[in-house]
Amino acid sequence: AQKVTQAQTEISVVEKEDVTLDCVYETRDTTYYLFWYKQPPSGELVFLIRRNSFDEQNEISGRYSWNFQKSTSSFNFTITASQVVDSAVYFCALSAGDNYGQNFVFGPGTRLSVLP
Amino acid sequence: DVKVTQSSRYLVKRTGEKVFLECVQDMDHENMFWYRQDPGLGLRLIYFSYDVKMKEKGDIPEGYSVSREKKERFSLILESASTNQTSMYLCATFAGSNQPQHFGDGTRLSIL
Repeated sequence: AQKVTQAQTEISVVEKEDVTLDCVYETRDTTYYLFWYKQPPSGELVFLIRRNSFDEQNEISGRYSWNFQKSTSSFNFTITASQVVDSAVYFCALSAGDNYGQNFVFGPGTRLSVLP
Repeated sequence: DVKVTQSSRYLVKRTGEKVFLECVQDMDHENMFWYRQDPGLGLRLIYFSYDVKMKEKGDIPEGYSVSREKKERFSLILESASTNQTSMYLCATFAGSNQPQHFGDGTRLSIL
C-alpha cells in the first residue's frame, strides 16, 4: 500500500526566511510519481510539480526547489525568501500502480503561515 | 489549461435532504474523482470513475453515491445528508497515472 507522510502539521515563518516542507513516502512499486500541490485560502488545489521515480535530479523554479532522494524516500520542498503569498496548505502526493487513480495518495498537508 | 468546474462554492443544506454536487471538466479526461477534505485528515477519496457509467468506491464511500452519465460530468450525491458530511468537497480529473490531478475550486458544504 502507498502512504505519504508530512510530519509538519503547521509551520510559521517570517517573511524572507527560507522554509522546507518535508515529505516521506512509502510504496512497493518501482515506477511511481510524486507531486506537490498548493492550496491557498481560497480553496483550490494548484499543481506545482511532478517527479518520476527515475529522475532524482533536483529542480528549481524561481523561489521554489525540490529535493528528491530515493535512498530516504523523501521529496522535500523548499521555499527561498518566503513571501506572505506563500501562505497556504501544501500537499505532497504519490501516484503508483494502475491507471485508475485509486493509488493516488495525498499526505495530510502542511499549513504554512508566512508572517509580514 | 484543464478546467474543472464545480457547481457551487458554498452550499447549505438540512439534515435528511438529498444533495447533488456537480463537477464538469473540459479536457475529455476519462478519470474523475470526488474527495472530501477535513482538517487534520487531508484529502480522502470518496468515489472515482474511469469511464462513463463506471464507478469505483474509494476509501470513504458510505453515505454517498455518484453518477457519470456523460464523460465530462461527474456528480456526487448525498442520499440523506447528515451533519457529519459537513466538509469541503473537491472534484478532480486526470489523464493517467503519471499525470497530475487537476482540481476544481471546491464546494464548502454545511449540513444543518
